[in-house]
Amino acid sequence: DQQVKQNSPSLSVQEGRISILNCDYTNSMFDYFLWYKKYPAEGPTFLISISSIKDKNEDGRFTVFLNKSAKHLSLHIVPSQPGDSAVYFCAARSIKAAGNKLTFGGGTRVLVKP
Amino acid sequence: DAMVIQNPRYQVTQFGKPVTLSCSQTLNHNVMYWYQQKSSQAPKLLFHYYDKDFNNEADTPDNFQSRRPNTSFCFLDIRSPGLGDAAMYLCATSRGTQETQYFGPGTRLLVL
Repeated sequence: DQQVKQNSPSLSVQEGRISILNCDYTNSMFDYFLWYKKYPAEGPTFLISISSIKDKNEDGRFTVFLNKSAKHLSLHIVPSQPGDSAVYFCAARSIKAAGNKLTFGGGTRVLVKP
Repeated sequence: DAMVIQNPRYQVTQFGKPVTLSCSQTLNHNVMYWYQQKSSQAPKLLFHYYDKDFNNEADTPDNFQSRRPNTSFCFLDIRSPGLGDAAMYLCATSRGTQETQYFGPGTRLLVL
């Protein structure tokens, strides 16, 4: 039972263009969402998050949008840079869940071409 | 730099031979987590410690155990590794239970 899904396993985008990564979830108890970025041979690095009381959070080139009614969130990277090439994981948690348990999606591999 | 360290980065073990993976942190965080990530899959939480309190996920096999002798260190013990336990094992920490989790680089386990 996959509660968090990233349906696009990979994405290729030209440098300078927008990258849009999508994530869907099924558990209506999730109230906090995060994006992590992972380079090869490194652990995931926290990128940006959003609480369910908001529908948008922006941090520099990264913006996360949340559509609660659709149980969908997306990460926009603009402009995309070659250093953004990595695997991006969407994660969700519920404040009611014990111990800050994160449920991860399967990841989207992004390749930014120079 | 404050960080989460995992040793070794690569571990090879034999089928059925106990193996221990190590995680240490210099962040002084209260919570430490162990995740298993199989190839092309999402990381899956095995268990976590809040200080000395151990919290096991319901679907974590009994074959997996953990120890946290002090704030800085946490160990993952696999008592009898099977071929299906080959995976990347990620350690993470957070200050509290609603705080951002910081991950180590992972240990890739190979079972022969």
